[in-house]
Amino acid sequence: QVQLVQSGAEVKKPGSSVKVSCKASRDTFSSYAINWVRQAPGQGLEWMGGIIPIFTTTKYAENFEGRITITADESTSTAYMTLNSLRSEDTAFYYCARASSLWSWLDPWGQGTLVTVSS
Amino acid sequence: EIVMTQSPDTLSVSPGERATLSCRASQSVSSNVAWYQQKPGQVPRLLIYGASTRATGIPARFSGSGSGTEFSLSISSLQSEDFAVYYCQQYNNWPSFGQGTKLEIK
Repeated sequence: QVQLVQSGAEVKKPGSSVKVSCKASRDTFSSYAINWVRQAPGQGLEWMGGIIPIFTTTKYAENFEGRITITADESTSTAYMTLNSLRSEDTAFYYCARASSLWSWLDPWGQGTLVTVSS
Repeated sequence: EIVMTQSPDTLSVSPGERATLSCRASQSVSSNVAWYQQKPGQVPRLLIYGASTRATGIPARFSGSGSGTEFSLSISSLQSEDFAVYYCQQYNNWPSFGQGTKLEIK
């Protein structure tokens, strides 16, 4: 069973950065893309960007360009999403999800990481 | 950016009846549409990809159709566990999601 396991909840101050990790089973990591999606409380889903680890190819949504960095460590089968210059509106659940490419359906999803931005 | 618009925002249907949810793309996305189900406190679950292909383990009462700009998800004979929020997603280029349709018990 393919699994994506994310890091735990974070509380951050406005203006700071957060780095969320997503560990995958090795066969999943090598052959697929990892995408990141966020969901503010009570709101819908928002695609943030993704990475193809084997090629280190990344794509970012325009809304996050300049504030987001997605990286991957093939040796540990772990993807990372760093979001900078946090503001209260960034309070959300952040999900990683597997995809066959950067433009693809998402399955499965990680369990989600709640990031709370508060002074 | 391709905007996905779902309708209605909320759909009230009785158990055992059929529900049909709609999703419209602001420009053609071919058949590159997926549907997800999300229950309160849970992670989104893939139901349909390629507009009409059911994901592994998804019951046959779920079906998807459409191409171009108009898509629909139908759920025949609604079960209690089907009441949830449903999202469509296009992946023809930069992925984007619809705002969601809440399917509630009538």
